[in-house]
Amino acid sequence: DIQMTQSPSTLSASVGDRVTITCRASQSISSWLAWYQQKPGKAPKLLIYEASSLESGVPSRFSGSGSGTEFTLTISSLQPDDFATYYCQQYNTYPYTFGQGTKLEIK
Amino acid sequence: QVQLVESGGGVVQPGRSLRLSCAASGFTFSSYGMHWVRQAPGKGLEWVAVKWYDGSNEYYAESVKGRFTISRDTSKNTQFLQMNSLRAEDTAVYYCARDTSAAEGRGAGYFDFWGQGTVVTVSS
Repeated sequence: DIQMTQSPSTLSASVGDRVTITCRASQSISSWLAWYQQKPGKAPKLLIYEASSLESGVPSRFSGSGSGTEFTLTISSLQPDDFATYYCQQYNTYPYTFGQGTKLEIK
Repeated sequence: QVQLVESGGGVVQPGRSLRLSCAASGFTFSSYGMHWVRQAPGKGLEWVAVKWYDGSNEYYAESVKGRFTISRDTSKNTQFLQMNSLRAEDTAVYYCARDTSAAEGRGAGYFDFWGQGTVVTVSS
C-alpha cells in the first residue's frame, strides 16, 4: 500500500496567517492527490483534486501544489472558518490511502 | 441536490455481522462509482471499499478484504456494505461517498459528496 505522511500533525496559527501543510507519498503518485477539510462531527469536504485543482465553491485562499511524492496545501490568509483538520488522499493506486491528518488550531 | 444517507449502524458483538445501507438521491446513481470510508473514534480517515459505476469491479482495503462485501441496487439507488466477522477495530463512523467522475471506469478516485455517516460499535 502507498503510505501518506502529513506534517505537521498539529499546527497553531492566527487569523490572517499563511500556512502550509505537507503530504509525502511513499512512492510516486503523479498528481493523483486530493485534499479534504473536516470539522468535528462532520463529513470531510473536498478542497483540492489532482494536486492543484480547486474544487468549485472553495475559496481561492486555498491552493495545492506538488507532484510525484511531495505535495503541499497552502492557505494564504487564515479565516476563522478554516480551523479544522486537513487530510490528503492518494488515488493513484488501490487501496486508496489518506494521510493521518493535520489539525489546524487557533494560536 | 445530491444526498447520501447512511443507515444500519449499531452495536454488535465481535464475530457477528451487520449490513450498512447508503440511500442516494439527486443524481443518476447508476452513473457513479461509490465508496465507503470509515473513521475510528478520534482517528483519521480510512478508505474501505469501492464499487465501480457499472458494477464491473470492486476493491477493498486489506484490513477488510474477505470479510466485507460492497454491493449496490441501482433500482433502489442504494449501495450496501455487508460486514461479517466484525472485530473491535472495525468500530468507526462509516461514510459513503460518491466518486466525482460519472460513467468512467474506475472513476476519478476522489469524493465530492459524502453522507453524514453511521456509527458501528463492535463490543461484547
